[in-house]
Amino acid sequence: EAGVTQFPSHSVIEKGQTVTLRCDPISGHDNLYWYRRVMGKEIKFLLHFVKESKQDESGMPNNRFLAERTGGTYSTLKVQPAELEDSGVYFCASSQDRTTDTQYFGPGTRLTVL
Amino acid sequence: AQSVTQPDIHITVSEGASLELRCNYSYGATPYLFWYVQSPGQGLQLLLKYFSGDTLVQGIKGFEAEFKRSQSSFNLRKPSVHWSDAAEYFCAVVPLTGFQKLVFGTGTRLLVSP
Repeated sequence: EAGVTQFPSHSVIEKGQTVTLRCDPISGHDNLYWYRRVMGKEIKFLLHFVKESKQDESGMPNNRFLAERTGGTYSTLKVQPAELEDSGVYFCASSQDRTTDTQYFGPGTRLTVL
Repeated sequence: AQSVTQPDIHITVSEGASLELRCNYSYGATPYLFWYVQSPGQGLQLLLKYFSGDTLVQGIKGFEAEFKRSQSSFNLRKPSVHWSDAAEYFCAVVPLTGFQKLVFGTGTRLLVSP
């Protein structure tokens, strides 16, 4: 069974540009999460999808960030326009249907904004 | 404030020695408790989790953790460390608020010396 995959693994962009990160969850997992780790800080929750609906987006830092989950399958996280403080590692995770179900993480996308 | 604390940023242990990584949480009700590990170039992998019941939890790779309610702690242990255990370890909780987001500590980086 394939794990959670993320694309790209690295992205280097200039301030003001747009970047789109993609996450493919484990097949059959209704729950999809985005997290971010800024250098030297803890991993922080961004948002949670249940199928195609946003269950909790309390961690989204501002309206430059837009997350979608088309048809309840893969998800994209777009940053537009990117700022220097958006640099970090963006993780995606997925789980089945209960709070106690394990969240399986992807390898992350390292975003560098210059 | 609700939080997860990992007081040790770095720990160096000799190969074959025992290991204990500390984790404390500050929540009114005992949350669900997790330990994840991130090896270089990899995503986060779940080592073990605690929801209820036996306070000594066995995980993968020879790790175990003990939940102590009186100390609000969930320390991770391994009796004999291997060089391949060098990685970053994260304690995390899911608060019992009805949402499923993980709240992470800042992580402890483990170095294993020969």
